[in-house]
Amino acid sequence: AQSVAQPEDQVNVAEGNPLTVKCTYSVSGNPYLFWYVQYPNRGLQFLLKYITGDNLVKGSYGFEAEFNKSQTSFHLKKPSALVSDSALYFCAVSNMDTGRRALTFGSGTRLQVQP
Amino acid sequence: EAGVAQSPRYKIIEKRQSVAFWCNPISGHATLYWYQQILGQGPKLLIQFQNNGVVDDSQLPKDRFSAERLKGVDSTLKIQPAKLEDSAVYLCASSSTSVGTYFGPGTRLTVT
Repeated sequence: AQSVAQPEDQVNVAEGNPLTVKCTYSVSGNPYLFWYVQYPNRGLQFLLKYITGDNLVKGSYGFEAEFNKSQTSFHLKKPSALVSDSALYFCAVSNMDTGRRALTFGSGTRLQVQP
Repeated sequence: EAGVAQSPRYKIIEKRQSVAFWCNPISGHATLYWYQQILGQGPKLLIQFQNNGVVDDSQLPKDRFSAERLKGVDSTLKIQPAKLEDSAVYLCASSSTSVGTYFGPGTRLTVT
């Protein structure tokens, strides 16, 4: 079985400050890791993914994430937050070794960026 | 490139009624998923299709939920009869071997 934990229900940060949204995972085999963002009344939008290679992955809208195998973490980061980044963020994992590719999601973290 | 299409966007029904949702995936995507997202939670996989075959339906409540993808393209998800706890957003997603998973806008179901 695979699982994702997002320990923070909400993260508050001031505009212009760096932000971090935490994610840890559990999966047997090689993890494929993803971050999605969800705005109100809209579907999930893909931000970035880690498949293999460089542990620092760059994605859309200036976001990046760092894969840490020893800590089984995949934290989402951005050097300078914008008010428009306020949304619900989901971390997800899949096990490509099984060929199923279905995503298991965390419970989500609401990011609130204050002006 | 057109995204994943879903309809309807919103549906309100009474408990014990039936409801159906439709999904049209991105052209060429062989894999199609249905997820259920209850308010305040992350999406949970209901069923995964590869072309028109079921890969994983272990979390689908088969006594009331059914899904099909007859020609390996469009898919429908049905609930019969609906319960109050089925109130959720139902997300359809598709993927291919070389790209990520793309989600539709979802159908928000309210069961009263």
